[in-house]
Amino acid sequence: ETGVTQSPTHLIKTRGQQVTLRCSSQSGHNTVSWYQQALGQGPQFIFQYYREEENGRGNFPPRFSGLQFPNYSSELNVNALELDDSALYLCASSTIQGGYTFGSGTRLTVV
Amino acid sequence: QKEVEQDPGPLSVPEGAIVSLNCTYSNSAFQYFMWYRQYSRKGPELLMYTYSSGNKEDGRFTAQVDKSSKYISLFIRDSQPSDSATYLCAMTLLISNFGNEKLTFGTGTRLTIIP
Repeated sequence: ETGVTQSPTHLIKTRGQQVTLRCSSQSGHNTVSWYQQALGQGPQFIFQYYREEENGRGNFPPRFSGLQFPNYSSELNVNALELDDSALYLCASSTIQGGYTFGSGTRLTVV
Repeated sequence: QKEVEQDPGPLSVPEGAIVSLNCTYSNSAFQYFMWYRQYSRKGPELLMYTYSSGNKEDGRFTAQVDKSSKYISLFIRDSQPSDSATYLCAMTLLISNFGNEKLTFGTGTRLTIIP
């Protein structure tokens, strides 16, 4: 059973809306990363948070933002949703030594 | 050109066959090489990881890395229907002075083992 929990599991939003996805990391894991997985593709790195600060970012626009909290939870926020944002969003927690544990993801559909 | 290229699927083989999955990469800075398995509606699950060139075995699975050719493989022996899943290769890249890394994935190969 994975130690990373994501909510909600599914979500349908309208183009232009804003969405917040949540992740509860494995206890003791001070690093959380978010990935976007489009249908039929591998996950793409969005950004990573370490000690509540953004620590690295992939090729995603600023309307993708995040937060990490001291209780090992985190959020991914996406503003001004576009149809191409439809994907599975994965949260992965890890320690500084690596060893990623992925959640089951949130499937976002933008209509 | 993508940094990581993975042989496209889907791939269907009979139960008991040996499966070979492959990826090539272009970035010499990649450090760790991993294989993930992803079942439908689930997140990726780490199968194996390795750092250096050579082979690493774990039960029916063997991971092979050739850094000189920038080529990695995963072999599955005595394949079972429960091995049916999407297999993703992934590689780590340092993104900070703290030692944090990001994963760069291949596109995945969908594997079906036919009973």
